[in-house]
Amino acid sequence: EPEVTQTPSHQVTQMGQEVILRCVPISNHLYFYWYRQILGQKVEFLVSFYNNEISEKSEIFDDQFSVERPDGSNFTLKIRSTKLEDSAMYFCASNLDTPNYGYTFGSGTRLTVV
Amino acid sequence: EDQVTQSPEALRLQEGESSSLNCSYTVSGLRGLFWYRQDPGKGPEFLFTLYSAGEEKEKERLKATLTKKESFLHITAPKPEDSATYLCAVRTTGANSKLTFGKGITLSVRP
Repeated sequence: EPEVTQTPSHQVTQMGQEVILRCVPISNHLYFYWYRQILGQKVEFLVSFYNNEISEKSEIFDDQFSVERPDGSNFTLKIRSTKLEDSAMYFCASNLDTPNYGYTFGSGTRLTVV
Repeated sequence: EDQVTQSPEALRLQEGESSSLNCSYTVSGLRGLFWYRQDPGKGPEFLFTLYSAGEEKEKERLKATLTKKESFLHITAPKPEDSATYLCAVRTTGANSKLTFGKGITLSVRP
């Protein structure tokens, strides 16, 4: 069964450093998403991406965050200057058609900012 | 503000003991209600989408129902492998593709 692949599975970074989280969505999917889950809290929407542009973003997704689809297969989330409160599990997801089709989520990248 | 509340927070069942998980929502307008399963250290796994009150969907031991204010995930004769966190999420008329999640219900099924 096709999977969404995320790398790395765990990343530790110093506060103020830039990090790039990488995702390979399912190949024929058209909609791409980033969500995050702080330990013990809800899964929270960050951003959606369709047709090579951001289609929706949350208040969390401020100027420190950016997304890119640099080629036909990768989808990345960059955090420019990490803060302690950015520590969370970051999930990439994709789906084929309208958003009401269930997303396929990756297994996540656990980001720890120290 | 759109809200999704799940109850109970945790549920422990004996194998074979059927029960229901509740998801209540307060939204401006509903475009879809989603149920996901999440295992520890993994991403959510899609189970169902429900669109309108009265709709029901089934998959193996799981059955999801929807009213205008809440959704239930009924688990019939659960097995230990059904142990997981079950997440409810909504997509609203004010959103393009964003899902708003509840905190989840952690289900443990004892053999």
